[in-house]
Amino acid sequence: DARVTQTPRHKVTEMGQEVTMRCQPILGHNTVFWYRQTMMQGLELLAYFRNRAPLDDSGMPKDRFSAEMPDATLATLKIQPSEPRDSAVYFCASGRGSLNEKLFFGSGTQLSVL
Amino acid sequence: SQQGEEDPQALSIQEGENATMNCSYKTSINNLQWYRQNSGRGLVHLILIRSNEREKHSGRLRVTLDTSKKSSSLLITASRAADTASYFCATDAGNTPLVFGKGTRLSVIA
Repeated sequence: DARVTQTPRHKVTEMGQEVTMRCQPILGHNTVFWYRQTMMQGLELLAYFRNRAPLDDSGMPKDRFSAEMPDATLATLKIQPSEPRDSAVYFCASGRGSLNEKLFFGSGTQLSVL
Repeated sequence: SQQGEEDPQALSIQEGENATMNCSYKTSINNLQWYRQNSGRGLVHLILIRSNEREKHSGRLRVTLDTSKKSSSLLITASRAADTASYFCATDAGNTPLVFGKGTRLSVIA
């Protein structure tokens, strides 16, 4: 079965450290999304790409977060420096065609910043 | 900012009963989708209903959409313990990314 792969599944780090999360979208999908899930805020859209081009990253703190797609098989989300309030589950999702088609989610990266 | 808002926040039922979850949204939409999330896992797409549709079925799932009331409901019939999960509605306003609600936590007790 085709699936979205995220690594690592879990990450524990100390405040101030750099964190990099990786995502391999489903082959042939041309849209990629990063969402963050917390109990308080639910699922928040951080950034998204179409055909590897960033379309919008207004959902994430620009001073510490960055999202890139170096190639069609890899999307990265980086936090530098990390803060305790960044603790959450980060999901990558991919889709075909337009932005509002059904999404396929990875299993997420659970991040704890101490 | 959240567009869809699910109700109730949590629901507990006995196996075999039907479960109904509701979603309300604020602005006009193009599509509305429902997703399921098992504990510790990613979201899984269940069903998509377009703004010009009123009802859709998929197996034991029935989704309705009332655009005049800006609301949708998800009905799971003859629930099973395996249906225990969180259920989310997601909306879009055209060629825009999905915006998710905070979900309904469903517990099906065997």
